Amino acid sequence: SAVISQKPSRDICQRGTSLTIQCQVDSQVTMMFWYRQQPGQSLTLIATANQGSEATYESGFVIDKFPISRPNLTFSTLTVSNMSPEDSSIYLCSVEGGGTGRTGELFFGEGSRLTVL
Amino acid sequence: GDSVTQMEGPVTLSEEAFLTINCTYTATGYPSLFWYVQYPGEGLQLLLKATKADDKGSNKGFEATYRKETTSFHLEKGSVQVSDSAVYFCALSSGGSNYKLTFGKGTLLTVNP
Repeated sequence: SAVISQKPSRDICQRGTSLTIQCQVDSQVTMMFWYRQQPGQSLTLIATANQGSEATYESGFVIDKFPISRPNLTFSTLTVSNMSPEDSSIYLCSVEGGGTGRTGELFFGEGSRLTVL
Repeated sequence: GDSVTQMEGPVTLSEEAFLTINCTYTATGYPSLFWYVQYPGEGLQLLLKATKADDKGSNKGFEATYRKETTSFHLEKGSVQVSDSAVYFCALSSGGSNYKLTFGKGTLLTVNP
C-alpha cells in the first residue's frame, strides 16, 4: 500500500483566488489521479497525471481551471483557479495500487477540504 | 458509459443488526468491483474488492459477491458495530490500462449502541 500526504488538509478561500494542493507519495508511482467530492455527492475524476507528460482531463474539467503539475514520480500538485463557491469540495489525490495484475484498485489521500466564500 | 447505482441513505441500525447496502452497476466488459469506506474525518480506504464473476470479497466481517447475472455487488455484514459508522462507496473499474474508478453516491451508515 502507498502512504499519501496532502496539503493543505483544509482551507477557506476567497472568491476569485487560486489555491494549490500538494500530494506527496511515499513510493514511486506512474499514475496519479485527482478526484473531487462535492458536498453530499460522489467522487468524480478530474484528471490523470503521468510524470513527464501533460495531464489528461475528464469531460467537464479543463486545464485552465485545474492546472496540474507532475514533476517527478512521487509528487503532484492541483491548482484550483479563480475559485467560486461552486468549487467548495474535497479534493483527493490517489495512486494506483500495487500487487500483481492491474485490478484498478486505488489508494487515496485524506483529502483537502476547500471552502470558497 | 459506466455507472454505479447505490442504495440511498442514510441507514441507521442498532449494534449487532444485519447490514445490507445494495449496489448495481452498468459497465462494458468485465469490470473490477470495489467497496470503499470513509470514516469520519478520514480519507477513503479500500474495504474489499472482487475482480471477476462469482468472486467474494471480504474484510473486517464485511462481504460482497460479484454477481454478473444481476450486475450487483451488495455489501453485507452480519453484526454491525458502532465503529462501522461511516460512508460506504461502491465503485467499479473497467480495468486494462484505465484506472478510472466510477463511484456510487455513497451511503451513510450510522450504528447506534
